[in-house]
Amino acid sequence: KNEVEQSPQNLTAQEGEFITINCSYSVGISALHWLQQHPGGGIVSLFMLSSGKKKHGRLIATINIQEKHSSLHITASHPRDSAVYICAVSGFGNEKLTFGTGTRLTIIP
Amino acid sequence: DAGVIQSPRHEVTEMGQEVTLRCKPISGHNSLFWYRQTMMRGLELLIYFNNNVPIDDSGMPEDRFSAKMPNASFSTLKIQPSEPRDSAVYFCASSSAFLRGDTQYFGPGTRLTVL
Repeated sequence: KNEVEQSPQNLTAQEGEFITINCSYSVGISALHWLQQHPGGGIVSLFMLSSGKKKHGRLIATINIQEKHSSLHITASHPRDSAVYICAVSGFGNEKLTFGTGTRLTIIP
Repeated sequence: DAGVIQSPRHEVTEMGQEVTLRCKPISGHNSLFWYRQTMMRGLELLIYFNNNVPIDDSGMPEDRFSAKMPNASFSTLKIQPSEPRDSAVYFCASSSAFLRGDTQYFGPGTRLTVL
């Protein structure tokens, strides 16, 4: 069983829809990261959070430490949001990231 | 700032050859990470440094892989001898804090193909 699991693996939605991507982890963590990998391959860090909720533009990330679960939400989705979204966790006392397998999101105009 | 710089962006080599990948972290960042991404295994940490010292190299596949960070502004990942199964995209990332899991900034990656 992977330490970090994401769902769904693939998601296709119409432009404007509200998107939710889920991440569950099985170990204690110091922080959870959401990353975006563009079709061209570049990786960008979207959020790092250890509790509560963070918002940046149309993106919202939440985490429930007790349930070991995080969600990434995209409001008013747009074709430019099409990318692979990767959840990763870092443990206590180090910065080593353990990655989920990613969710491929496709937004259709 | 120019961000994390990696070179080369693409490398094609033949099995058995030595390959050296290079990374320049963001100025002022004191942690540096080498990752490998394949279709089969996704993203994996190979090794990371803090203040130029290797902290965790448990992800380095085998003795054919080695990494160095001679100073705060440069790191190399070397594969010798290379094998076809080493074909992957190799990312370097840097961050500015240790023990706080700070945001990591990724370079554009080096796509390695070993024939």
